[in-house]
Amino acid sequence: EVQLLQSGGGLLQPGGSLRLSCATSGFPFNAYTIHWVRQAPGKGLEWVSTIGPQNYYEIYYADSVKGRFTISRDNSKNTVFLQMSSLRADDTAVYYCAKDHGHYDKDVWGQGTTVTVS
Amino acid sequence: QSALTQPPSASGSPGQSVAISCSGTSSDIGRSNYVSWYQQHPGKAPKLIIYEVTERPSGVPDRFSASKSGNTASLTVSGLQAEDEADYYCCAHTGSTNTYVFGTGTKVTVL
Repeated sequence: EVQLLQSGGGLLQPGGSLRLSCATSGFPFNAYTIHWVRQAPGKGLEWVSTIGPQNYYEIYYADSVKGRFTISRDNSKNTVFLQMSSLRADDTAVYYCAKDHGHYDKDVWGQGTTVTVS
Repeated sequence: QSALTQPPSASGSPGQSVAISCSGTSSDIGRSNYVSWYQQHPGKAPKLIIYEVTERPSGVPDRFSASKSGNTASLTVSGLQAEDEADYYCCAHTGSTNTYVFGTGTKVTVL
């Protein structure tokens, strides 16, 4: 069974830093792109960042987080990370990691982790 | 990266159909073969229900169908069931920048 297990959320002050983790299992991790998507309280989904698979190492960010967030992956641990810095109140959201289906989409999602900046 | 435009709400009685539009531009939906749709129940993670404009993942009922014309994508839920009551989001991959843009979301109510 494909699973994405997230950790690392929390409450922090503006300007702070936090690292989110997305540990995966049940599929060949090295072969798949992983995304981060967030959802502010009561709001819609917002794409945050994407990292390509091992041999196609591409990284992309939404303008809203570019220069502040860094996505990375550890293929030895089947885990993707989102390092967030210079956090602002409008970064407050539930953050989801999601596996790409191979068709520029997101077919399996993590359970979400809450980040509150206040 | 402006959000794609969806109607805030849509509704229908059990057994009826409801259609949701997703309006973008020639820079996103208009030039993308990678439009996807997601269903999200309250407090839950989204679920992929359509990929590559019209394709359904395994396990998604054929009551869900989708299409695209010009800069607008559409999702139709036929034979509405109580469990279809949820929020629905479209999403387009923009190949020129390799970024993604989601729609504003539509809340579907089963009357």
